[in-house]
Amino acid sequence: ETGVTQTPRHLVMGMTNKKSLKCEQHLGHNAMYWYKQSAKKPLELMFVYNFKEQTENNSVPSRFSPECPNSSHLFLHLHTLQPEDSALYLCASSGGGSGGPPYNEQFFGPGTRLTVL
Amino acid sequence: GEDVEQSLFLSVREGDSSVINCTYTDSSSTYLYWYKQEPGAGLQLLTYIFSNMDMKQDQRLTVLLNKKDKHLSLRIADTQTGDSAIYFCAESGAGSNTGKLIFGQGTTLQVKP
Repeated sequence: ETGVTQTPRHLVMGMTNKKSLKCEQHLGHNAMYWYKQSAKKPLELMFVYNFKEQTENNSVPSRFSPECPNSSHLFLHLHTLQPEDSALYLCASSGGGSGGPPYNEQFFGPGTRLTVL
Repeated sequence: GEDVEQSLFLSVREGDSSVINCTYTDSSSTYLYWYKQEPGAGLQLLTYIFSNMDMKQDQRLTVLLNKKDKHLSLRIADTQTGDSAIYFCAESGAGSNTGKLIFGQGTTLQVKP
């Protein structure tokens, strides 16, 4: 596979469930990102990892827990979510560090559509 | 704080030009970007402009940057039905060393045949 892949593509969970979203990039990148996309709202950056270290946490509630075991994989662990957490969760990767394109162009996965009942 | 704003919807006829506008607040952004999101897909970088430029042209796309007014626009010439998508404006976050981007809420472009 190439690019950025995300699994599952769709997820329905209850408020008491625990689930995980997975992102994998095959681009040799060193930075990975989680974004939340809700209808008619700006894309919200949640977390940034550079070289496996978390470098940004955008005041995300603790019911979202990221994990980056290596530069190619990124997880988002979910527990006791609320209905307002229903959204499209997008993963992206880029070369890493500061600087602009083309090195630091962000490549996005197709997202996981999450519904919390 | 950093903020990027766009109108939510634009409808044009096939063959017309489309102009999508964006305003941003951070004057120290080094790069400004336009991303495209097709249904069921993630975002794809369309084009970008360095902050010391005022125009960039790439085939049917023209980006105009007015730094004084903090206004960015994307013009699509000869718009096709395949251009129907959501277009996001983004700026590079000030003082960030993480490649952080600040996105607008996206403009849905509808192209009528």
